[in-house]
Amino acid sequence: TQLLEQSPQFLSIQEGENLTVYCNSSSVFSSLQWYRQEPGEGPVLLVTVVTGGEVKKLKRLTFQFGDARKDSSLHITAAQPGDTGLYLCAGAWGYDYKLSFGAGTTVTVRA
Amino acid sequence: NAGVTQTPKFQVLKTGQSMTLQCAQDMNHEYMSWYRQDPGMGLRLIHYSVGAGITDQGEVPNGYNVSRSTTEDFPLRLLSAAPSQTSVYFCASNPGPGPYEQYFGPGTRLTVT
Repeated sequence: TQLLEQSPQFLSIQEGENLTVYCNSSSVFSSLQWYRQEPGEGPVLLVTVVTGGEVKKLKRLTFQFGDARKDSSLHITAAQPGDTGLYLCAGAWGYDYKLSFGAGTTVTVRA
Repeated sequence: NAGVTQTPKFQVLKTGQSMTLQCAQDMNHEYMSWYRQDPGMGLRLIHYSVGAGITDQGEVPNGYNVSRSTTEDFPLRLLSAAPSQTSVYFCASNPGPGPYEQYFGPGTRLTVT
């Protein structure tokens, strides 16, 4: 099992503020994905990063994959209440790209 | 397309009972997986399959059995339910080996008393 540590576990901010979620491991991953999960539903993919140092933007969300492919961050600019949810990082390893998930960060954006 | 479907949505079992959680996908995906999600622990892989007739264990396989007789279906069997198996179970599928999106079902909330 490849361990992924996410921080912080909980984050509560006011609408309009910025936030960053971190995902760290001592293992190298073939790729890393970020998912968002709403209560009572399954996770939904936000982004996949594959190359070390890669940066991807999805509207107000910026994702970065570390140079050594062991860590990643998710930054949200000017957060909105609709960004509220559980954010999960998942690293792929092995020839069949099994996923190891972090414990998740619960983000609450207050209006 | 319905995507990934799971039944039932909720289930309560007594210790020692057995049951099967159903999972089906209509996207012709090669790979299917079962995860359990517990508070503060993220999703943990129980079993996975890389094609019909091929299954393998994940991180937490004890107490669970799987089989994959068709591309579409991947049922998860609890042999003798224990309170430690109280969890939310998610089935997922993806096209094959590679950095592809995992498509998750809506989950089954299982309580074992």
